[in-house]
Amino acid sequence: SQQGEEDPQALSIQEGENATMNCSYKTSINNLQWYRQNSGRGLVHLILIRSNEREKHSGRLRVTLDTSKKSSSLLITASRAADTASYFCAANSGGSNYKLTFGKGTLLTVNP
Amino acid sequence: SQTIHQWPATLVQPVGSPLSLECTVEGTSNPNLYWYRQAAGRGLQLLFYSVGIGQISSEVPQNLSASRPQDRQFILSSKKLLLSDSGFYLCAWSWGGGETQYFGPGTRLLVL
Repeated sequence: SQQGEEDPQALSIQEGENATMNCSYKTSINNLQWYRQNSGRGLVHLILIRSNEREKHSGRLRVTLDTSKKSSSLLITASRAADTASYFCAANSGGSNYKLTFGKGTLLTVNP
Repeated sequence: SQTIHQWPATLVQPVGSPLSLECTVEGTSNPNLYWYRQAAGRGLQLLFYSVGIGQISSEVPQNLSASRPQDRQFILSSKKLLLSDSGFYLCAWSWGGGETQYFGPGTRLLVL
């Protein structure tokens, strides 16, 4: 079963606006990661937040984690047309093999 | 630096034919290796992972198998393809003790 579930499934905004995507997961996690996928390409790691962290920043990205609600959000500020892509959260439940369980993703379209 | 290669990029195969997809990693040793499948508009489903040569763990029962004949080589195979095997296949690697996964460009498989 899916560990991470993103919301919304699709999001369309104008350049310069902020984009917020949410992720919920079901079981306890070691960390939660966000990845980006351009159409027809492989995934690119964006940011990782550990279970003992509440917020993390990387450039225009801000990730929050609420373990009590088993949820995370990804905020992209001042969006650009080049941010158009699918965004996936991936839950890592620990273990030496570091398996990730991915959600279905949010398709973000940034209109110029 | 590390790079990951997958080939072929695109493959069209008839039902019942065999399959062999190859993934190789350069610039690292003893990585964890992963095979994922992504159906159209969906998230990633972990198919196999490997923590060492000859060590393969299967996540879901299916028509596919995986092998790791060399440290940085991961092969996905099938003896007889089904229509349901169509999809986008992604290979990924991580450091043996690492959490972030690094993805290849993917192989798009269409079974007709």
